[in-house]
Amino acid sequence: DAGVTQSPTHLIKTRGQHVTLRCSPISGHKSVSWYQQVLGQGPQFIFQYYEKEERGRGNFPDRFSARQFPNYSSELNVNALLLGDSALYLCASSSTGGSEKLFFGSGTQLSVL
Amino acid sequence: GQQVMQIPQYQHVQEGEDFTTYCNSSTTLSNIQWYKQRPGGHPVFLIQLVKSGEVKKQKRLTFQFGEAKKNSSLHITATQTTDVGTYFCARDQTGANNLFFGTGTRLTVIP
Repeated sequence: DAGVTQSPTHLIKTRGQHVTLRCSPISGHKSVSWYQQVLGQGPQFIFQYYEKEERGRGNFPDRFSARQFPNYSSELNVNALLLGDSALYLCASSSTGGSEKLFFGSGTQLSVL
Repeated sequence: GQQVMQIPQYQHVQEGEDFTTYCNSSTTLSNIQWYKQRPGGHPVFLIQLVKSGEVKKQKRLTFQFGEAKKNSSLHITATQTTDVGTYFCARDQTGANNLFFGTGTRLTVIP
């Protein structure tokens, strides 16, 4: 079975642009979460979706948005990119969205120039 | 707040030495999870501790949850080069998947 897949693996953008990151959870998992990991730090929670509804939102500006599709895949959108948005964006899936282990994808490395 | 603090931030050990990382919270935790992230990789789940005073072992790794459920530790016996990486503890909002990761301990093993 495939694990959590994310695309693209790497992305280079310039300030002010927008970006869309994609994630496919493990088959059968209904919950997807997004995390931002700046180099040298721990992952920071951005969003969680379960059954296509937002379950949680971290302390990120409105420039960040996400959605989950009927097949449980998800997109993370970031508008008006800033240099500080450069980071590894991780997607994680779980089966129920409750307090259980997360399965992380390999991430999308975003560089904003 | 919801943050968990980890110490030390960095640890260099000779292969074969033991290693311990500590995770501390100012508030009582419902549970604690541990993840390992290899250099250039993504976090991989190691274990979840739920009960007060719980101790779990995975081969050379021993995980403990404090009696007051405010701290946890990960101990590795006789480190190997395959243990290299950053070890994170993570707490969640009760009943949710909104994990708050600790600052991490980066382990380097010198052959």
